Amino acid sequence: DSGVTQTPKHLITATGQRVTLRCSPRSGDLSVYWYQQSLDQGLQFLIQYYNGEERAKGNILERFSAQQFPDLHSELNLSSLELGDSALYFCASSVSVDNSPLHFGNGTRLTVT
Amino acid sequence: EDQVTQSPEALRLQEGESSSLNCSYTVSGLRGLFWYRQDPGKGPEFLFTLYSAGEEKEKERLKATLTKKESFLHITAPKPEDSATYLCAVQAPSGSARQLTFGSGTQLTVLP
Repeated sequence: DSGVTQTPKHLITATGQRVTLRCSPRSGDLSVYWYQQSLDQGLQFLIQYYNGEERAKGNILERFSAQQFPDLHSELNLSSLELGDSALYFCASSVSVDNSPLHFGNGTRLTVT
Repeated sequence: EDQVTQSPEALRLQEGESSSLNCSYTVSGLRGLFWYRQDPGKGPEFLFTLYSAGEEKEKERLKATLTKKESFLHITAPKPEDSATYLCAVQAPSGSARQLTFGSGTQLTVLP
């Protein structure tokens, strides 16, 4: 158990809808990362937050947004969903922004129908 | 742009048959190379971090090594429970931002 908690585990929704994925980092970790994993593209970095502030953006679509709250949990909001958004979404956390390892949750499997 | 290439894509071994997985990388200024194990339906599980060429790390039947251009994950006398996808990732200097670039993984199957 990595200590990173993601909810829900599975999510099935229709095209055009909006969903929110939630992540609680490991105790003591200030930095949260979101990754998308699909069969054809592997693990792709979406966005990073550190202590409530956005620190880095990767291949995140404009339809997607995220935030980190004062209690350090994070939410990833996906809107105007398309079939191609179906994927596993992982949250990871680390102690700081140095090269300490990332610890991943078990992901949310999103299916858009 | 940072690039990570893992080979082979898939590897089938008999129990006890040792082998190595390769991770080739292109990055301007490596800050760390990470190995993860991922089981189906689970998140990646951290295995090792390597920081500089010549460094080696070991854990049970796994040993990771690093050169200036590639890393190897050596698996000695594997068991069926070692079956998983092994992912390699690199981190380059980027100020306060951290962004790991992952390879596509090697899917390892160890047959009893």
